[in-house]
Amino acid sequence: QKEVEQNSGPLSVPEGAIASLNCTYSDRGSQSFFWYRQYSGKSPELIMSIYSNGDKEDGRFTAQLNKASQYVSLLIRDSQPSDSATYLCAATNAGGTSYGKLTFGQGTILTVHP
Amino acid sequence: DTEVTQTPKHLVMGMTNKKSLKCEQHMGHRAMYWYKQKAKKPPELMFVYSYEKLSINESVPSRFSPECPNSSLLNLHLHALQPEDSALYLCASSQEEGTDTQYFGPGTRLTVL
Repeated sequence: QKEVEQNSGPLSVPEGAIASLNCTYSDRGSQSFFWYRQYSGKSPELIMSIYSNGDKEDGRFTAQLNKASQYVSLLIRDSQPSDSATYLCAATNAGGTSYGKLTFGQGTILTVHP
Repeated sequence: DTEVTQTPKHLVMGMTNKKSLKCEQHMGHRAMYWYKQKAKKPPELMFVYSYEKLSINESVPSRFSPECPNSSLLNLHLHALQPEDSALYLCASSQEEGTDTQYFGPGTRLTVL
């Protein structure tokens, strides 16, 4: 049973558009949420972390968390070809058998075309 | 500075070889992790060390043996691996085990012949 699910890809957007990446999680005990970007053959790179309901903005990136709906999203404004990568949604749980474990979604492949 | 370093970058080994992967961080983090990642899949947790003690072993085969010599170093000793163990091995660290942000190293690309 998957605990973190991401919208199926791949996602293709034109340069300059907004890319919207979505993620749902099944464990209500999840407390911390992360978006990682992974280029082909490279390691995951942290883009955003979010812990509270609402929006968190960092440059062109905005993460949104809705714990009631168990939903977290990442918006990328003014998308650039260099944003083309796999985006991994991940969550951690502060207790129980999942304590200390970072649970990843399957990833969404984003392609930004010129 | 959020740098985690890993050596070697690439490793090719036979099924009878013994080799080790190394990971280092100087951020004062007290939790360190080993992940395995196959192509087109997310990372899978293997081991977690917290304050230099093994906290989580995700039922990893004994041919993988982790070691945490001190708070900055994490090793993964490899012995009698199988071709299906070929993958990207990632090390990560976080301030504390639990909900803290994990920062990943560049990984070691392992090929088992």
